[in-house]
Amino acid sequence: DVKVTQSSRYLVKRTGEKVFLECVQDMDHENMFWYRQDPGLGLRLIYFSYDVKMKEKGDIPEGYSVSREKKERFSLILESASTNQTSMYLCASSVGQHTGELFFGEGSRLTVL
Amino acid sequence: GENVEQHPSTLSVQEGDSAVIKCTYSDSASNYFPWYKQELGKGPQLIIDIRSNVGEKKDQRIAVTLNKTAKHFSLHITETQPEDSAVYFCAATSNFGNEKLTFGTGTRLTIIP
Repeated sequence: DVKVTQSSRYLVKRTGEKVFLECVQDMDHENMFWYRQDPGLGLRLIYFSYDVKMKEKGDIPEGYSVSREKKERFSLILESASTNQTSMYLCASSVGQHTGELFFGEGSRLTVL
Repeated sequence: GENVEQHPSTLSVQEGDSAVIKCTYSDSASNYFPWYKQELGKGPQLIIDIRSNVGEKKDQRIAVTLNKTAKHFSLHITETQPEDSAVYFCAATSNFGNEKLTFGTGTRLTIIP
């Protein structure tokens, strides 16, 4: 079974702090994604990566950056956390870029105070 | 870009009855339509998908129908069971160029025992 592991299930940070969300997948997938999930807004794509050291902006990249130094690991970085970044963050991986099955992690719920 | 609308936002049905969730999309070029199920505390998981060269696809109690002319697709769950209680997301994209998967806003389905 594909396993996508997100390092932290729950985080509480203060405004202005730098936040790292880590994601690791064990199926050698080329594509990895970071989504944000908010009630009434569904899943919105923040960034994705189709190869090591490659990244592409999604629909809501403002305030976020990403890093993919190894194929299995994709990190989401909030350089200076703000209260409007309080949300559930979901990492996913896939074989196909946008028309293949997405395998999601269990999510990281971030609260920014 | 693509816009996906999903209705209803919440749905309660008696155990054993059928449930239907509907989505509309805006981009006539979209040709891939997956449905994801998210159980409490977990990441979304693909349950069924359909491509535009077919009008219907079934997998046991789950079926998806697609009307390309009207640009809408629906998820049908028959003989509902308590384990069907979850949040369901529809999505749409095309495999042309670099189109990204766009998700609907989600439907919280509750099965009443």
